[in-house]
Amino acid sequence: ETAVFQTPNYHVTQVGNEVSFNCKQTLGHDTMYWYKQDSKKLLKIMFSYNNKQLIVNETVPRRFSPQSSDKAHLNLRIKSVEPEDSAVYLCASSYDWGNYAEQFFGPGTRLTVL
Amino acid sequence: GDSVTQTEGLVTLTEGLPVMLNCTYQSTYSPFLFWYVQHLNEAPKLLLKSFTDNKRPEHQGFHATLHKSSSSFHLQKSSAQLSDSALYYCALRASSSFSKLVFGQGTSLSVVP
Repeated sequence: ETAVFQTPNYHVTQVGNEVSFNCKQTLGHDTMYWYKQDSKKLLKIMFSYNNKQLIVNETVPRRFSPQSSDKAHLNLRIKSVEPEDSAVYLCASSYDWGNYAEQFFGPGTRLTVL
Repeated sequence: GDSVTQTEGLVTLTEGLPVMLNCTYQSTYSPFLFWYVQHLNEAPKLLLKSFTDNKRPEHQGFHATLHKSSSSFHLQKSSAQLSDSALYYCALRASSSFSKLVFGQGTSLSVVP
C-alpha cells in the first residue's frame, strides 16, 4: 500500500514536555509538508521539504523543528509544548514542488496539551 | 499576501438540492486553485484543481470554474448526496511561491434527508 503514514494517532502531554511526531510516505514523492489544523479547522502550512532540504518555513515558534533523514521521512519535534499547540498535525507529500503537484495527506496526529 | 475566503461555517442542504460553496481569493500573481475535501476523521483529499485554459474540472459530480475577473473558484454540484457531507477547503498556490498552499477557512457541508 502506498500512502502517507503518521504516528502516533493521538498524543496527550503536559505543558513543557517535548513531543515528536513521525511521518513516512511510500509514494516516491520528493516533497513533504507539515500542516497545523487547529480547533476551528484552520489549516496552515508550517514547513516544506524538498529532497531533504527545507524550502518553506512559515512563521512558527522556535520550539517547532522539522527533521528529515531522507526524502520519504519528515518528523516534527516540539521542544516545550504550550496549550496553544493543541491541534491536529497533518503531514503531506507531493511528487514535486511545482504548481500543479497534488498534495497527499496523512491521517494526522492529534495533540492535546494539558 | 495571498488569501482565500470561503462561505462561512456550516451549510446545511436537503439531499437532491444543488450545492454551491463560495471561494474567492486574493493573489498578486496568477494562482492555481484547488478544492480539498475532508470527511470526518479522515485525511484531506484533492477534489478538483484549476486548469490554465478554460477547461472546467469535474470530479464525483462536482465542478468549479476559475473566474479571474472576479477572483473566484466556486464549487458546484447539481444534486447533493448524503455522502457529500464533509469539510471542504478551497486552496491557492501562487505561481511565485512554489509548494506553499494557502487554505481558506473551510466550509462544513451537511446534507440531510
